[in-house]
Amino acid sequence: GAVVSQHPSWVICKSGTSVKIECRSLDFQATTMFWYRQFPKQSLMLMATSNEGSKATYEQGVEKDKFLINHASLTLSTLTVTSAHPEDSSFYICSARTGQGAGNTIYFGEGSWLTVV
Amino acid sequence: AQSVTQPDIHITVSEGASLELRCNYSYGATPYLFWYVQSPGQGLQLLLKYFSGDTLVQGIKGFEAEFKRSQSSFNLRKPSVHWSDAAEYFCAVGGYSSASKIIFGSGTRLSIRP
Repeated sequence: GAVVSQHPSWVICKSGTSVKIECRSLDFQATTMFWYRQFPKQSLMLMATSNEGSKATYEQGVEKDKFLINHASLTLSTLTVTSAHPEDSSFYICSARTGQGAGNTIYFGEGSWLTVV
Repeated sequence: AQSVTQPDIHITVSEGASLELRCNYSYGATPYLFWYVQSPGQGLQLLLKYFSGDTLVQGIKGFEAEFKRSQSSFNLRKPSVHWSDAAEYFCAVGGYSSASKIIFGSGTRLSIRP
């Protein structure tokens, strides 16, 4: 089946620094990718919808200047957490949508654990 | 508004027993419905999906789900659970187009009693 890869799986960064997480669709082209955030024992909260070649659409309450999303190609989207703080520590998951019509579905990456110290 | 409700936060069933996880949705158009499973610290795996056609959908690992439009429900079932089924289960709803966002329910944690 379709594979979505996230990198890195784990990252620890110092408070005030920035960290980039990559999301790649390995065997298909994804015109749309989604970024989610998940706190422990909670559900996935959609942060933004990333469209190739255009600006991301952010959900209400998500700071676009803090969570920079770039969808440079049909197989790569990146999330950059700028000036990270401990409260940004979370599990970040990306997904990519493929196909059209009834065949379209969404595949998820394995997620990236971010710890800000 | 688009929303998903999973009323059961935690369910415990005995190994070999049947399982039903509830999901109710709200969506203004024809919904695209999904069930995903997540093991601790892991990403999400698609169990099954429904957009149209037969309202009883078969998925992987012996799971099935039934779409009931009149009840706005998409409950997940399995006739006989295995200890390896213990995980978090998420129901999700979205739209048909490739740009439509997918919204998740709060999840149901499934525990298996030996």
